[in-house]
Amino acid sequence: LAKTTQPISMDSYEGQEVNITCSHNNIATNDYITWYQQFPSQGPRFIIQGYKTKVTNEVASLFIPADRKSSTLSLPRVSLSDTAVYYCLVGSGNQGGKLIFGQGTELSVKP
Amino acid sequence: DVKVTQSSRYLVKRTGEKVFLECVQDMDHENMFWYRQDPGLGLRLIYFSYDVKMKEKGDIPEGYSVSREKKERFSLILESASTNQTSMYLCASSPRDINEQYFGPGTRLTVT
Repeated sequence: LAKTTQPISMDSYEGQEVNITCSHNNIATNDYITWYQQFPSQGPRFIIQGYKTKVTNEVASLFIPADRKSSTLSLPRVSLSDTAVYYCLVGSGNQGGKLIFGQGTELSVKP
Repeated sequence: DVKVTQSSRYLVKRTGEKVFLECVQDMDHENMFWYRQDPGLGLRLIYFSYDVKMKEKGDIPEGYSVSREKKERFSLILESASTNQTSMYLCASSPRDINEQYFGPGTRLTVT
């Protein structure tokens, strides 16, 4: 399974765009990239998933370069409620496979 | 919306007690998972199940067992609780694509 590396923490201010980059040098051909968000005292919540290029939903955008060795989660115009830990995961999605949750990135949004 | 519920939000048990943590999902998902989360260590997979009565060990199965008799229910069992099992326990379920997991609210277990 591909291991992921992401910054331990980031600070931002309300209204700014936040980009969190994750590196996954050993990503396999069948692997997808998935991001989760976790608030204190809650379970993680699925945010977005992609395989290549760009994916956008109502919450975030995910940018994946052609070599797929990294990915960037982009949160547009963050608010205080976006303060959370963000996890980048890489996995094939098949039954019997496993996901590895790394340390995550603790995002702190300030007023 | 997918709903994953866990039997307790907070639980306090004594060393040596047998502990049952129950998890129920309402989306007919094939896969169910048990994780523990500790400060500085992130989420670690204890066991997962890809079908009724089927299970596979995760990264830290020692001291735990699981049971899945019905598709919607996945139980985590601590045969003899120890203080180093004090943690937040999170249950999750997913459809065939395990990248898309839905988590319950967690059970904070304290073993004294």
